[in-house]
Amino acid sequence: DAGITQSPRHKVTETGTPVTLRCHQTENHRYMYWYRQDPGHGLRLIHYSYGVKDTDKGEVSDGYSVSRSKTEDFLLTLESATSSQTSVYFCAISEQGVGNEQFFGPGTRLTVL
Amino acid sequence: QKEVEQNSGPLSVPEGAIASLNCTYSDRGSQSFFWYRQYSGKSPELIMFIYSNGDKEDGRFTAQLNKASQYVSLLIRDSQPSDSATYLCAVIVNSGGYQKVTFGTGTKLQVIP
Repeated sequence: DAGITQSPRHKVTETGTPVTLRCHQTENHRYMYWYRQDPGHGLRLIHYSYGVKDTDKGEVSDGYSVSRSKTEDFLLTLESATSSQTSVYFCAISEQGVGNEQFFGPGTRLTVL
Repeated sequence: QKEVEQNSGPLSVPEGAIASLNCTYSDRGSQSFFWYRQYSGKSPELIMFIYSNGDKEDGRFTAQLNKASQYVSLLIRDSQPSDSATYLCAVIVNSGGYQKVTFGTGTKLQVIP
């Protein structure tokens, strides 16, 4: 998976609790992305980062925040998890911008009860 | 109308046949097109990308782009059981100085031995 790890790989939590997912890369790529994948919706971009401390919103950013304090780490936080945030979350990286090849991490399956 | 549309399938083809996967898009300003393969329970991986009208071949895979008709196809020759997966189409649009990526929901391909 192109030097990308995600943690945790599986998580079950309760509505209203905060959750943080971590993406770690060893490729030194500038761009990092968080997607969620749901049946019938495909992959949807939540947030992305184009450098340390530089982030921007994707199409489904409500209820999510991100932080990138180091090139290799990109964190996705659900401040107060809801059942609608039950999904599979993928991190991706790319050397160039959004319009270039992206390499995906193994994914995190999150269940919010 | 969805921005990127794919038939969800499953598309079943016999081993050795040609599999044809199609993707239509709504934004005429779309500039780059990617095909990703995703095995069940795994992360997407890039198969091919295409920017210009016409055909682009890579081994058993051929991507075809027709910007006038707003569709992009992926042909898989000599289909193998190992090609059984979901194929995601991704379209890049330049929007307001930013690039935006939209994924289709994917077509599930089954290659029957």
